[in-house]
Amino acid sequence: NAGVMQNPRHLVRRRGQEARLRCSPMKGHSHVYWYRQLPEEGLKFMVYLQKENIIDESGMPKERFSAEFPKEGPSILRIQQVVRGDSAAYFCASSPPGAYTGTEAFFGQGTRLTVV
Amino acid sequence: SQELEQSPQSLIVQEGKNLTINCTSSKTLYGLYWYKQKYGEGLIFLMMLQKGGEEKSHEKITAKLDEKKQQSSLHITASQPSHAGIYLCGAARMKTSYDKVIFGPGTSLSVIP
Repeated sequence: NAGVMQNPRHLVRRRGQEARLRCSPMKGHSHVYWYRQLPEEGLKFMVYLQKENIIDESGMPKERFSAEFPKEGPSILRIQQVVRGDSAAYFCASSPPGAYTGTEAFFGQGTRLTVV
Repeated sequence: SQELEQSPQSLIVQEGKNLTINCTSSKTLYGLYWYKQKYGEGLIFLMMLQKGGEEKSHEKITAKLDEKKQQSSLHITASQPSHAGIYLCGAARMKTSYDKVIFGPGTSLSVIP
C-alpha cells in the first residue's frame, strides 16, 4: 500500500509563473490536508479537502492560492504568479473516510518550491 | 498567536543521555500527535494520545498526555544519533468531527556521538 505521494519533489519557478503541486492520498483515503513549511518556521495549515469539497480553507492566502480534490485524480494545490515568499516546503496529508479526531494523518514527502 | 508551544526550541545532547521535549496548550486538546521530521524530509508519525493521563511507548520513546489534556511530554531514553531531527507536536481541537491538526513550532534535536 503506497503512502501519500507528492510530486514533484522539487519545483523551481520564476517569479510570475504558476506552480502546480500534486498529492495522491493513500488508497481509500478521502480527506486531504495541505500544509506549508516556510524556512525556519513550523508547519502551517492551509486547507482541508474531501472529495470535490473544500471543508476548511482558513489557512489559505486570500489571493493566488487555490486547491482542489476532484472525484478522480490527485489533489492539486495551485499557486498563481508565484513570488519569492512562496518558496517553502508544501506537505500533503491524508486520512480515511469517516475519520474522527484521533485518526492518524499520513504525510507525504513534500514538494520543495523554489521561486527564483 | 501560537496555539501550541514547544520547549525547548532546540536541544543538543550527548549520545546515551535521556531527554524530554514538552508541548503545551492553553486549550483542551483532542488528539495529541507526535511526529519526527528529518531535515529536508517528510513527517514520520511517532505516537498519538487521546485520553487524559495516557502514556505510550515505542522503542526508546515515551509520550504522555496530562490529565487536563493540555500538556504532553516526549521522553527519549539513551538517545542515539538516529534520534536526531525535528520533533513536532500537533493537536486537533474538536472532539466531535475530524479537525485539522495544528502543529507546534518544533524542537530541533541533535545527538552528538
